[in-house]
Amino acid sequence: SQQGEEDPQALSIQEGENATMNCSYKTSINNLQWYRQNSGRGLVHLILIRSNEREKHSGRLRVTLDTSKKSSSLLITASRAADTASYFCATDANTGKLIFGQGTTLQVKP
Amino acid sequence: EAGVAQSPRYKIIEKRQSVAFWCNPISGHATLYWYQQILGQGPKLLIQFQNNGVVDDSQLPKDRFSAERLKGVDSTLKIQPAKLEDSAVYLCASSAGTASYNEQFFGPGTRLTVL
Repeated sequence: SQQGEEDPQALSIQEGENATMNCSYKTSINNLQWYRQNSGRGLVHLILIRSNEREKHSGRLRVTLDTSKKSSSLLITASRAADTASYFCATDANTGKLIFGQGTTLQVKP
Repeated sequence: EAGVAQSPRYKIIEKRQSVAFWCNPISGHATLYWYQQILGQGPKLLIQFQNNGVVDDSQLPKDRFSAERLKGVDSTLKIQPAKLEDSAVYLCASSAGTASYNEQFFGPGTRLTVL
């Protein structure tokens, strides 16, 4: 079953612009995580936000979580060509295991 | 630190054949996962091991898929017989603990094509 749904499915921006992608989920969660996947480095964990947190930062990444709306957003600031990848949200719906969404494909044009 | 190793990287087989994938997790990681990622979708958990015991295999098609983690280190995932819909990338991941907040480290995956 698909817990997280990312939006948009695809995003194309110019280098230096910000990229925002969203994730909606259906049931209550313990935490929500964002992953990046590209051909060079495979699937890599970016950031985890717990259900009692509202915002978290890591370098150029900013994640927000709104549990009342069951949604999260990932903001990448000052994007670089190397940020080109697919981004997935993954949720732990109190089961101890992660359920991944279908992902947002981000293309950053130099 | 060495990452999660998987082999082979690519495999092409015909339907009804059998295939096996191998995974070597990060040293010291007790938890090992196998995911299936179909093109255009996110990874789907097939099975989770804690040491050499199965924690969750609820989404493993047990009529054709099997997995083992002998001695609690390396793991193999087998498909027998393969179907066309098994074409996917099979990802192995490991983490230090079973809780979902433990970061999972993924291997490069095995891309399986079933003809």
